[in-house]
Amino acid sequence: TQLLEQSPQFLSIQEGENLTVYCNSSSVFSSLQWYRQEPGEGPVLLVTVVTGGEVKKLKRLTFQFGDARKDSSLHITAAQPGDTGLYLCAGAGEDSNYQLIWGAGTKLIIKP
Amino acid sequence: ETGVTQSPTHLIKTRGQQVTLRCSSQSGHNTVSWYQQALGQGPQFIFQYYREEENGRGNFPPRFSGLQFPNYSSELNVNALELDDSALYLCASSSQGAAVPGELFFGEGSRLTVL
Repeated sequence: TQLLEQSPQFLSIQEGENLTVYCNSSSVFSSLQWYRQEPGEGPVLLVTVVTGGEVKKLKRLTFQFGDARKDSSLHITAAQPGDTGLYLCAGAGEDSNYQLIWGAGTKLIIKP
Repeated sequence: ETGVTQSPTHLIKTRGQQVTLRCSSQSGHNTVSWYQQALGQGPQFIFQYYREEENGRGNFPPRFSGLQFPNYSSELNVNALELDDSALYLCASSSQGAAVPGELFFGEGSRLTVL
């Protein structure tokens, strides 16, 4: 059974600080996505990483896919209150029929 | 481009009742997945529909069933509702054969409360 372990589960920091969220597995993924979800809404796709070692930047957010395509990280620089939300990672297995394996999420609160 | 829309947005049912939730997929997408999300948790995969057939199922009992229509819209039906079925039900559309598999586009969800 493929699992994605996401850490930390909860993070509360002050505006302006940096943070990193991790997504780890023993399985190899053909691609991995990061989503952000706000209360009462559906998750919104932030980025997809496909190639081992790939780094993608989205403004103050930096996403990295591990060389072996088993893990990923999301780094936020100078966090803002608008970054508050539930961050979810989801991976597509190499033999998947487009079904995703989901992490449990990281609840992030940025205090002004 | 029309996004994913779900209805109803909120509903309240009592234990033992049945519920039908509806989803219109994003234009150009042929696959619909349904997820159950408890408060503060990640989404749990219920099932996926492609070309009007179930194309994968998570660990949910048979009282969770679905349909996909020729226009790729979909329904989720839950019979004999239980208190633990209270959750946000999310519909996500995607495109089989897309360059990058698995990218999902979610609706805002249907919040079901079972009393």
